[in-house]
Amino acid sequence: GEDVEQSLFLSVREGDSSVINCTYTDSSSTYLYWYKQEPGAGLQLLTYIFSNMDMKQDQRLTVLLNKKDKHLSLRIADTQTGDSAIYFCAESGDYKLSFGAGTTVTVRA
Amino acid sequence: SQTIHQWPATLVQPVGSPLSLECTVEGTSNPNLYWYRQAAGRGLQLLFYSVGIGQISSEVPQNLSASRPQDRQFILSSKKLLLSDSGFYLCAWNQARTSGGIGETQYFGPGTRLLVL
Repeated sequence: GEDVEQSLFLSVREGDSSVINCTYTDSSSTYLYWYKQEPGAGLQLLTYIFSNMDMKQDQRLTVLLNKKDKHLSLRIADTQTGDSAIYFCAESGDYKLSFGAGTTVTVRA
Repeated sequence: SQTIHQWPATLVQPVGSPLSLECTVEGTSNPNLYWYRQAAGRGLQLLFYSVGIGQISSEVPQNLSASRPQDRQFILSSKKLLLSDSGFYLCAWNQARTSGGIGETQYFGPGTRLLVL
């Protein structure tokens, strides 16, 4: 989606932290989402954050939201080979979600 | 619990042939339904969404159409496929909007991979 931008690729060593960044444009978005897509599969909801929050932590996942800069990030601690996938950022809108192009995360041994 | 199904999982069709992809949702009623296309190595493009039976909104003009003959059934069709219709088609649903909830969260089906030759 044109309104949501992400870097396209990220390579990370197993055990390190991954940080995926996203910028969005709609300041009225109520929720912001991170989805994960494994090869050949549909999208799996990873986590979401309500727009009045700055941070949300869920096990190895930490979402940071800077509403002023319209910047969202997803940090994956202790990255594992099973974390290799495409990660999509999305912002909510009227009946719709606007998705970024996805960040392909490759975990190397 | 709610589940979403898509079929077929994979389809190879010649140019000019018709298309019908089906999506059904179980375990909920009156969902919003969505069709997306994901071209190889690219993000998601919203094609159609529906907020009720017979109600279809088109996001991108193209040779595809969508129909919702039943509350939990969403069909993507084409009369004549083009090479550019190849891609991964994803169906998604969410709960009709309610105040104070996270009704906007969309849940995706497993997808249909379409190859037009």
